[in-house]
Amino acid sequence: AQRVTQPEKLLSVFKGAPVELKCNYSYSGSPELFWYVQYSRQRLQLLLRHISRESIKGFTADLNKGETSFHLKKPFAQEEDSAMYYCALSTQGGSEKLVFGKGTKLTVNP
Amino acid sequence: DTEVTQTPKHLVMGMTNKKSLKCEQHMGHRAMYWYKQKAKKPPELMFVYSYEKLSINESVPSRFSPECPNSSLLNLHLHALQPEDSALYLCASSPRTIPAGELFFGEGSRLTVL
Repeated sequence: AQRVTQPEKLLSVFKGAPVELKCNYSYSGSPELFWYVQYSRQRLQLLLRHISRESIKGFTADLNKGETSFHLKKPFAQEEDSAMYYCALSTQGGSEKLVFGKGTKLTVNP
Repeated sequence: DTEVTQTPKHLVMGMTNKKSLKCEQHMGHRAMYWYKQKAKKPPELMFVYSYEKLSINESVPSRFSPECPNSSLLNLHLHALQPEDSALYLCASSPRTIPAGELFFGEGSRLTVL
């Protein structure tokens, strides 16, 4: 069965420090991975997707098929990055279903 | 218009009431979703409509009844709900049906069942 694991429920860093939010997935086929972000009192929105290989708001994520990981990284965290982050998996197995991880709440302290 | 719009934003209902949540998108997306989100939890998939046909029902109780009148609208009819159904109900749409692609979420309808 497809599964997404975000091992850290809470993550706290200081402003200017590097941050890495971990995401591991379980899927035997060819995955498509996404990171979604939910800022306080805002809608859930896409942050980035692995196939576009772009950097959004300074965040990057690389798909590592060998380690089945898609960790989200930012070299210098900002206070406005504080939010809930969800990793999500889409499978090629013929479903409209997106599998979400349980989320990591990131707090960036001043 | 590149947003998913949900109404109402807040809804309080008794256990015997009948109410509906509405969702609208004008991006031409052919997949539409209902999710339920409890505080500090990830969204839980309830239903998926693909080309206006129900394609996924995640074993949701029959007191929740989805409807897709056309390609732009999605409704969730509520009847005889329980207090534990209180949650944020999110609608989403996607330009891609299979496999699931990027989802565009609405702001949600916060439901309180008394």
